[in-house]
Amino acid sequence: SQQGEEDPQALSIQEGENATMNCSYKTSINNLQWYRQNSGRGLVHLILIRSNEREKHSGRLRVTLDTSKKSSSLLITASRAADTASYFCATVEGQGAQKLVFGQGTRLTINP
Amino acid sequence: GAGVSQSPRYKVAKRGQDVALRCDPISGHVSLFWYQQALGQGPEFLTYFQNEAQLDKSGLPSDRFFAERPEGSVSTLKIQRTQQEDSAVYLCASSLAGAGYGYTFGSGTRLTVV
Repeated sequence: SQQGEEDPQALSIQEGENATMNCSYKTSINNLQWYRQNSGRGLVHLILIRSNEREKHSGRLRVTLDTSKKSSSLLITASRAADTASYFCATVEGQGAQKLVFGQGTRLTINP
Repeated sequence: GAGVSQSPRYKVAKRGQDVALRCDPISGHVSLFWYQQALGQGPEFLTYFQNEAQLDKSGLPSDRFFAERPEGSVSTLKIQRTQQEDSAVYLCASSLAGAGYGYTFGSGTRLTVV
């Protein structure tokens, strides 16, 4: 079963613009993680934000978490063609849980 | 090794054939996970090991699916009597100590059942 729902399902922007993807989830979480997947490849871990954190940065990535709304957003600033990929949020549900539950993903296309 | 290694990279099986998919996790990673990813979908959890113990197999879709990690390192996912609906990419991931850290994924095995 899918926990998170990403929005939008697909996003196409021009190189240099910012890209924002959103994720909503249903149950209480321990942490939320974002992953990138290039076509035909495995997933690459981008960033992890814990339930007691509200915002986190890593290079051109900015992640926010609103546990009251059960939502998270991933912002990629100054996008590059190499950022073209699918982006997935994944949640770890509750204390002691181990498995990641993934959403359906957002397909991001950066046009040169 | 430096990353999670999966083999084979591609597998074509005739319906009814048994297949075995292999995963070599990062050395020292305690946790190992198997996921199934259908085309255009997010990964779906199959099963989880902590060392050699299979702690969660709630995602295995039927008793045709079986996973093992006998020595707490390499893991094998076996699918018996494959069906067309088993066609998917099977992803393996390992983690140093569970979901409090990020997972490292392998490139996956693309299984096509014809």
